[in-house]
Amino acid sequence: DGGITQSPKYLFRKEGQNVTLSCEQNLNHDAMYWYRQDPGQGLRLIYYSQIVNDFQKGDIAEGYSVSREKKESFPLTVTSAQKNPTAFYLCASSIPDRNTEAFFGQGTRLTVV
Amino acid sequence: AQSVAQPEDQVNVAEGNPLTVKCTYSVSGNPYLFWYVQYPNRGLQFLLKYITGDNLVKGSYGFEAEFNKSQTSFHLKKPSALVSDSALYFCAVREWTGGFKTIFGAGTRLFVKA
Repeated sequence: DGGITQSPKYLFRKEGQNVTLSCEQNLNHDAMYWYRQDPGQGLRLIYYSQIVNDFQKGDIAEGYSVSREKKESFPLTVTSAQKNPTAFYLCASSIPDRNTEAFFGQGTRLTVV
Repeated sequence: AQSVAQPEDQVNVAEGNPLTVKCTYSVSGNPYLFWYVQYPNRGLQFLLKYITGDNLVKGSYGFEAEFNKSQTSFHLKKPSALVSDSALYFCAVREWTGGFKTIFGAGTRLFVKA
């Protein structure tokens, strides 16, 4: 089945640690996205990539980093510089066109302990 | 910049009654508008989109949305609500800023009471 897989589903981070969230898609989509979801704030864009080896900062990129070495994969690293990382993280992919919808993974819930 | 607004944090409706979830937009040029639904601890699922053409757009699970250019609105509707429709609904717009990205509203939580 085609889709987007995010792992792990739950992740716990200690203060000062970097953690990496995985996102893999087999939809053959060129564009991939990372969003952060906090209660009552909707989805905020962290990073997006329209093509392999290229990505752009979204609205809240500080404290995060990404790579896009393969079309299928768009991992997100939450660095120690991100002061409030506890949130639900969603990865999405789409055809890079104005009239196409995005397909989402099931999310990773990150908690700082 | 493009944006969408969802003026209601929560909508309550009785099962079997019609439901409306409101969305207004602010875009330059032609709007490309979307509705998504999110169930607890899950990713978003696409419901429907307006690109051009008929102002009434039909989507998944019996949902439809009415595009109104003069009121800059794109309200989500369903003639008869089900308890299983209870979820978080997001209105969204596509934008180009060096790449295509989707901008989401804050979301509206729908409660359908049996």
